[in-house]
Amino acid sequence: GENVEQHPSTLSVQEGDSAVIKCTYSDSASNYFPWYKQELGKGPQLIIDIRSNVGEKKDQRIAVTLNKTAKHFSLHITETQPEDSAVYFCAATLPTSGKLIFGQGTTLQVKP
Amino acid sequence: KAGVTQTPRYLIKTRGQQVTLSCSPISGHRSVSWYQQTPGQGLQFLFEYFSETQRNKGNFPGRFSGRQFSNSRSEMNVSTLELGDSALYLCASSSGQKETQYFGPGTRLLVL
Repeated sequence: GENVEQHPSTLSVQEGDSAVIKCTYSDSASNYFPWYKQELGKGPQLIIDIRSNVGEKKDQRIAVTLNKTAKHFSLHITETQPEDSAVYFCAATLPTSGKLIFGQGTTLQVKP
Repeated sequence: KAGVTQTPRYLIKTRGQQVTLSCSPISGHRSVSWYQQTPGQGLQFLFEYFSETQRNKGNFPGRFSGRQFSNSRSEMNVSTLELGDSALYLCASSSGQKETQYFGPGTRLLVL
C-alpha cells in the first residue's frame, strides 16, 4: 500500500531563517499532497496543498514543490517566526481513494 | 462558516467499555473521514463516509465502527475498549472524496 516517509523528525531554526521539510511517497499514482500544521491541543490545520499536475505552489512565506519522477515533495517556510513552531505533517492520497496517508511528522522549533 | 466540531473533547473510559464519538462536518460537506492519532503510530485512517455510505476502511479491527446520518453528521463507535485505544480521534470533512479535508479539534480518549 501507499507509504509516506517524512524527514527530519525534528528541526530547530533561528527566527528569520528558512525551514525545509521533505517527504517521499511510494505509490506513483498518488495525485494530491496536502501539508498540515498541528499545534498543541488542536487538530491538524491545512496550510498548503498541491496536485500532481503542478510542480510548485506558493502562498506568502510557504511554498511546496513536487517532483513526480523522484516521488518526493517538500515544504519550504521562509522568514520563520516563533508562531511557526508546531508539528508539520505531509500526506498523500490516491485518485481512487479519499484517505490521506500521513508522514510521521516534523516538530519545528523556531527560536526567537 | 463554522468548522468541524467534535464532541466530546475529552473522555475517560475503562477497559471493556464502549464509546461513541460524534462529528459535525462543515456545512455543505458530505464526506467525513476518521483518523486515529497516537505518538507511536502517528495519524492513521479509520474510515470514510459519503452520503451515509462507508467508502473506505482502514486496517482496524471490527471493534471500530462508524456511521453517517442524512445530515452528514457522523459517529464512530469503539466497543470492548483496550488500553491501546487511548488516542486522539480526529474527524475531517470535505465536499467530496477527492477534495481537501478539514480537521476538527479531535476527541482525546483515555482508556484506563
